[in-house]
Amino acid sequence: EAQVTQNPRYLITVTGKKLTVTCSQNMNHEYMSWYRQDPGLGLRQIYYSMNVEVTDKGDVPEGYKVSRKEKRNFPLILESPSPNQTSLYFCASSYRQGPAAVDEQYFGPGTRLTVT
Amino acid sequence: AQSVTQLDSQVPVFEEAPVELRCNYSSSVSVYLFWYVQYPNQGLQLLLKYLSGSTLVKGINGFEAEFNKSQTSFHLRKPSVHISDTAEYFCAVSEGFSASKIIFGSGTRLSIRP
Repeated sequence: EAQVTQNPRYLITVTGKKLTVTCSQNMNHEYMSWYRQDPGLGLRQIYYSMNVEVTDKGDVPEGYKVSRKEKRNFPLILESPSPNQTSLYFCASSYRQGPAAVDEQYFGPGTRLTVT
Repeated sequence: AQSVTQLDSQVPVFEEAPVELRCNYSSSVSVYLFWYVQYPNQGLQLLLKYLSGSTLVKGINGFEAEFNKSQTSFHLRKPSVHISDTAEYFCAVSEGFSASKIIFGSGTRLSIRP
């Protein structure tokens, strides 16, 4: 089954304790992306990756890191989490339309993170 | 720079009534347009997309949208809604001719009254 998986689904942590949220897709998609969803703000892009070893900042990258060492995986790293990073996080992947834009995105189930 | 505006944060309608959810975008190049739906406590799934060709796009669950280049709009419509359509709807745009990212609107919460 084609899917995007995220782990963990729920996480409660304390300020400053490094954490990683994993994301994996089995569709051989080139494009992967991380979003955070907050009430009234919709989805805001944190980082995206056009392919292996190619990543770029989205609209709200501060406090986050990513890496793309393999095509299927795109982990999100919070080196020193703070309470304002409490949010619902989604990973997504997509096929690229040649060198140009991306097609529809397939979303993971979400990770609800609480930082106290 | 591209942006997406969903003018209505909430839209209440009665069951079996028609509905239109509005989406306007700004971009200086050709765009690809999407509508996604998020049911309560779930991730997002694609409703429909416009990449090229016919400006009237039909999607799943009886939804359709019309791409209007002159008005830079991509409004979503359904002629008769059902209780099961209760969800949040997101419009999104991806720019062509560039290695691009996707911008989402802030969402419209559709609530259906019996």
